[in-house]
Amino acid sequence: EAAVTQSPRSKVAVTGGKVTLSCHQTNNHDYMYWYRQDTGHGLRLIHYSYVADSTEKGDIPDGYKASRPSQENFSLILELASLSQTAVYFCASSDRVQDTQYFGPGTRLLVL
Amino acid sequence: TQTVSQSDAHVTVFEGDSVELRCNYSYGGSIYLSWYIQHHGHGLQFLLKYYSGNPVVQGVNGFEAEFSKSDSSFHLRKASVHWSDSAVYFCAVSQSSNNRIFFGDGTQLVVKP
Repeated sequence: EAAVTQSPRSKVAVTGGKVTLSCHQTNNHDYMYWYRQDTGHGLRLIHYSYVADSTEKGDIPDGYKASRPSQENFSLILELASLSQTAVYFCASSDRVQDTQYFGPGTRLLVL
Repeated sequence: TQTVSQSDAHVTVFEGDSVELRCNYSYGGSIYLSWYIQHHGHGLQFLLKYYSGNPVVQGVNGFEAEFSKSDSSFHLRKASVHWSDSAVYFCAVSQSSNNRIFFGDGTQLVVKP
């Protein structure tokens, strides 16, 4: 069964601090994605990657960086966390963009 | 630019009722259409997908969806809902020509006993 794991599952960060969210997949998928979900809303794409050592901007990349050091791992980095970045973050993977996406359990981030 | 519209933010039904969750999209080309379910506190899970062929596709747990090119729709249906179907349902559209998938804002389904 496809598996996407995220760490940490929840985090409290201070404004201006650095936050790194990690994602690991064992699906052997080329595509990986980072989404943000705000309460009562859908998913918004932050960054994605279709090959190791390369990342692409999504719809809301400002304030976020991404890193894909290997096919299995994809990180989301908030260099200077802000209050507005409080949200739930989901990682996903897929074989191709039009294929089924497999989601991780999410990371709940609270920036104070 | 593709858009995905889920016109109903909330739908409430009783257990055993039928339900239809609506999804409309705007794009003229070769697309893939999907539905995902999100239970509270969890990530999204795939329900079903359509690309070509029979416009009615079957998914897990008795869900099905029907593609209509003329209406630009991909509505999700279930004949008899169970309380465990309470969740948020997301419609998604992706193209074969680029690396993007677009999600709708979701429909919260509440099934009352």
